[in-house]
Order: sequence, then C-alpha cells, then structure tokens
Amino acid sequence: EAGVAQSPRYKIIEKRQSVAFWCNPISGHATLYWYQQILGQGPKLLIQFQNNGVVDDSQLPKDRFSAERLKGVDSTLKIQPAKLEDSAVYLCASSPGLGLLDTQYFGPGTRLTVL
Amino acid sequence: DAKTTQPNSMESNEEEPVHLPCNHSTISGTDYIHWYRQLPSQGPEYVIHGLTSNVNNRMASLAIAEDRKSSTLILHRATLRDAAVYYCILRPNTGNQFYFGTGTSLTVIP
Repeated sequence: EAGVAQSPRYKIIEKRQSVAFWCNPISGHATLYWYQQILGQGPKLLIQFQNNGVVDDSQLPKDRFSAERLKGVDSTLKIQPAKLEDSAVYLCASSPGLGLLDTQYFGPGTRLTVL
Repeated sequence: DAKTTQPNSMESNEEEPVHLPCNHSTISGTDYIHWYRQLPSQGPEYVIHGLTSNVNNRMASLAIAEDRKSSTLILHRATLRDAAVYYCILRPNTGNQFYFGTGTSLTVIP
C-alpha cells in the first residue's frame, strides 16, 4: 500500500513569510498527526485529527500555526508569519484509529529552513 | 507527560546482538511501551510494542522488566541498515499524546 505522502520535501523562506505543507495519509486511515522535529530532538506532536475533527491541538502555537483536514483525508499545515525558531522538519503521520495499539505511519517530512 | 530515559548513543558491531535500554520508572499500569526508530532523513517507523510480557516480531524483541519500570529492545543481529535513532515511548491509556524523547542513536560498525 502507498505510504504517507508529504510535499514539498524542502522549503526555504525568510522570516515573516508564510508557508504551507501538505499531507496525504494512507487510504482509510482515520487519524492524522502533524509533528515538529527540531534538529537533535524527538518529534513533538502539534495537532491530531480524527476524520476532520481536531482531537488534540494543545501544543500548536495557534497565533501563527493553523491546520485543517477537509473531508477527513488530506491535510495542510500553515505557518504565518514564520519565525527563525520554526526551522525544523514537519512530519505527518496517520493511523487507522485512535486505539492504544494503533501503529503510526510517518511520511518523509518537510524540512523547513527560515532565514 | 509519560517520561522515558534512554542513553544518548550506543555502538554495536555488525552481526552482533544489540540491547537498547529504556527506563520508565513512572509508568502506570495501563501504559503500553512502544518502540519506533528513525533512519537518517526519514520519518520514524514502528518497531515493536508490549504491555507486560516479552514480545517478538520479525524486526526485534522487547524484554519488559517484571516491575515494568524498564524495558530493553533487542536487535538479534545488527546490520548497517539498523543504524538509526531508537525511541522508547509510553502510550498512556488516557489522552492521545505520543511523547518522543531524544532517543538513542545507534551506530553499527562494519
């Protein structure tokens, strides 16, 4: 089966600009996650969707970050305006449901550099 | 946050077994122990999970201490493709958070 797709793979912007990332989860997966991974650290959950509803966005900096999952399939994560500290890899993952045993399948990530 | 403690880095010779430790002294009775790994320039991938009993799959084995305060991921024969950062994660029974720490960076020496 096809894996989680993300685009673009790389993005370089200047601070205060806007940027958007796209994720297409594995077909049929109800739950979609966005993580931020700063160099040298483990991934940090930003937001979690089940179908098109938000389950957890407690760690999303809502003053500049937004995310949506229209129709419960694809998702976009937007940063507006970007700051230097937003430089990181943004990972999208999906899982069949919300169960404790559900495996998360990760995409390759988008590497964002903010200059 | 459910916390785990892992060594920052470990080395292993190719074709030898590797034991990756994880301490989770604050684990609750219903927390599952998950292991993921992240190869260079890729997203994390699932390795194995368990609750109380030792678990085996095609990738690895998971040994869980009787008091569940620690666990060990065992790679039976390390290959160069096993070089990655290995994350030990506790999945709480309530809430949906999946907390990655900084993991253990495994170097496999040919």
